[in-house]
Amino acid sequence: DAGITQSPRHKVTETGTPVTLRCHQTENHRYMYWYRQDPGHGLRLIHYSYGVKDTDKGEVSDGYSVSRSKTEDFLLTLESATSSQTSVYFCAITETGDTEAFFGQGTRLTVV
Amino acid sequence: AQSVTQLDSHVSVSEGTPVLLRCNYSSSYSPSLFWYVQHPNKGLQLLLKYTSAATLVKGINGFEAEFKKSETSFHLTKPSAHMSDAAEYFCVVSDLDGGSQGNLIFGKGTKLSVKP
Repeated sequence: DAGITQSPRHKVTETGTPVTLRCHQTENHRYMYWYRQDPGHGLRLIHYSYGVKDTDKGEVSDGYSVSRSKTEDFLLTLESATSSQTSVYFCAITETGDTEAFFGQGTRLTVV
Repeated sequence: AQSVTQLDSHVSVSEGTPVLLRCNYSSSYSPSLFWYVQHPNKGLQLLLKYTSAATLVKGINGFEAEFKKSETSFHLTKPSAHMSDAAEYFCVVSDLDGGSQGNLIFGKGTKLSVKP
């Protein structure tokens, strides 16, 4: 299995609090992604990174920010969590822009 | 922009019968296409990928898919379903159009049920 670790795996938080999810890889892949998965929507891209300090928005970026200060770590922050951000979040990595993606095990976030 | 449409949200087959999961895409480039599988409460696993080599792509667990440019399709098939194939399947296109570097576009998924 590709070396991707997401933490935490489960989190319950209150509305209005900040939350940070971490994705750590040991593959030295250039591209890293954050997706959210919701029933009936498949996976939707939140943000992605194509190098250290290089990030861009995805389809559903409102309310989220990311940072990538080193190759192996990609952080997703919910600045002020809302109930609509209750979801399962997946981190993924790819070596280049069009190669296969490897996924983490997911983080189940519940905002109450 | 590129997009992916999975034509069935749910497919049900009997064990031992063929599986067909349909996927159409739109792309102004020669796309890279993938099928991923997700078992309940698990992450996503790559089944197979098409990257402009052979149009018939063989994957793991007996699955294969055929890239048909004229039909903009990339349907997933398996000759004989097994109970362990019950999962959700995602068709994915790599979006290199419009400067979106490395954006993977997911279909909404097809849930495959396998009856004994």
